[in-house]
Amino acid sequence: GNSVTQMEGPVTLSEEAFLTINCTYTATGYPSLFWYVQYPGEGLQLLLKATKADDKGSNKGFEATYRKETTSFHLEKGSVQVSDSAVYFCALSSREGGSEKLVFGKGTKLTVNP
Amino acid sequence: EPEVTQTPSHQVTQMGQEVILRCVPISNHLYFYWYRQILGQKVEFLVSFYNNEISEKSEIFDDQFSVERPDGSNFTLKIRSTKLEDSAMYFCASCYGDTQYFGPGTRLTVL
Repeated sequence: GNSVTQMEGPVTLSEEAFLTINCTYTATGYPSLFWYVQYPGEGLQLLLKATKADDKGSNKGFEATYRKETTSFHLEKGSVQVSDSAVYFCALSSREGGSEKLVFGKGTKLTVNP
Repeated sequence: EPEVTQTPSHQVTQMGQEVILRCVPISNHLYFYWYRQILGQKVEFLVSFYNNEISEKSEIFDDQFSVERPDGSNFTLKIRSTKLEDSAMYFCASCYGDTQYFGPGTRLTVL
């Protein structure tokens, strides 16, 4: 079945450091790919998405490129801030079973220190 | 900006009791979902709902679970007889197009 494998955390960085969180997927067909972010005490917020191969999703300085050849959707940011501290979830949309549902990775907790 | 809302934010119940978790999806959305996240684990799909019926349900969604859209706005998840292992964060989501928008979640604690 469809699945998402995400870099295990936690990740701790200093402010202004470069961030990469790796995400690879297994899927039949051509899923859409997403990054969701969960700030402490809050729900899941869509960060960015890409719907087809070679698409780049971007938002708030974060970027991820849909790479079909490597089945990856790595999240990057050039200069992280303390306010980026959160848990990041990679997800794909899967139509296995007949409805469009999200399959999530385990999440990566990011802590950014001043 | 419209958002998905959920009530209550935290529910504490005794094992064996029934609970109803409530969600108000975004008004023009057509597809509705429930997911859960056990502490420290991944977010898992429970059920999808479209056109007033279940589209798909996971193995987790057994006979103890049910969903309903009793009026034009609310979308509810009922657990008939809660078990300790039902303790989790429950997220409602609604969808228009290919993007799902999540509510803030209800933390269910079963004692």
